[in-house]
Amino acid sequence: EAGVAQSPRYKIIEKRQSVAFWCNPISGHATLYWYQQILGQGPKLLIQFQNNGVVDDSQLPKDRFSAERLKGVDSTLKIQPAKLEDSAVYLCASSFPYNEQFFGPGTRLTVL
Amino acid sequence: DAKTTQPPSMDCAEGRAANLPCNHSTISGNEYVYWYRQIHSQGPQYIIHGLKNNETNEMASLIITEDRKSSTLILPHATLRDTAVYYCIVRLRFNAGGTSYGKLTFGQGTILTVHP
Repeated sequence: EAGVAQSPRYKIIEKRQSVAFWCNPISGHATLYWYQQILGQGPKLLIQFQNNGVVDDSQLPKDRFSAERLKGVDSTLKIQPAKLEDSAVYLCASSFPYNEQFFGPGTRLTVL
Repeated sequence: DAKTTQPPSMDCAEGRAANLPCNHSTISGNEYVYWYRQIHSQGPQYIIHGLKNNETNEMASLIITEDRKSSTLILPHATLRDTAVYYCIVRLRFNAGGTSYGKLTFGQGTILTVHP
């Protein structure tokens, strides 16, 4: 069974630039999550989708972060403009609505 | 969300059992205990979960105390590949649009180092 796919794996940008991350969940998983993991900390949920609708985005910094899942499958997370403190690993996960989550390998973002 | 407390680090000899404790004294009656681990440079990996009964799968065993205020994850025969950060999480349940969802709040976890 194919796992959660993410790209790119690494990204280096300068502050105030924009960046986008892509996630392809496990086939059949209607629930998709984006997490931010700062070095030395556990992952923090940014946004949770059920199909193409947002279930929880209470911890998403909406002034600079946005996410979409237009067709209920793939998802994109965008940061515009990036700040130094956005340097982190961005993890995507998917699941059936009330089941265990499966995580992708993450995208490591460095903001200079 | 119910908070969990874990030791920051633990060591274990290869081939021995690793017993990772977790306190969750404010857990509610319908909240599950989940364990994930994260090997360096990888995404978290699901290990096991339970409500009140002890659980076992091919990876580990989960022992939950009768009052549900603490639990222990047991890796019966630790290998070097089990070196990772282990997260104990009390999963919050919420409803939206007639569907139940689970929410994971990760803490700092326990860094388990397995030595040869």
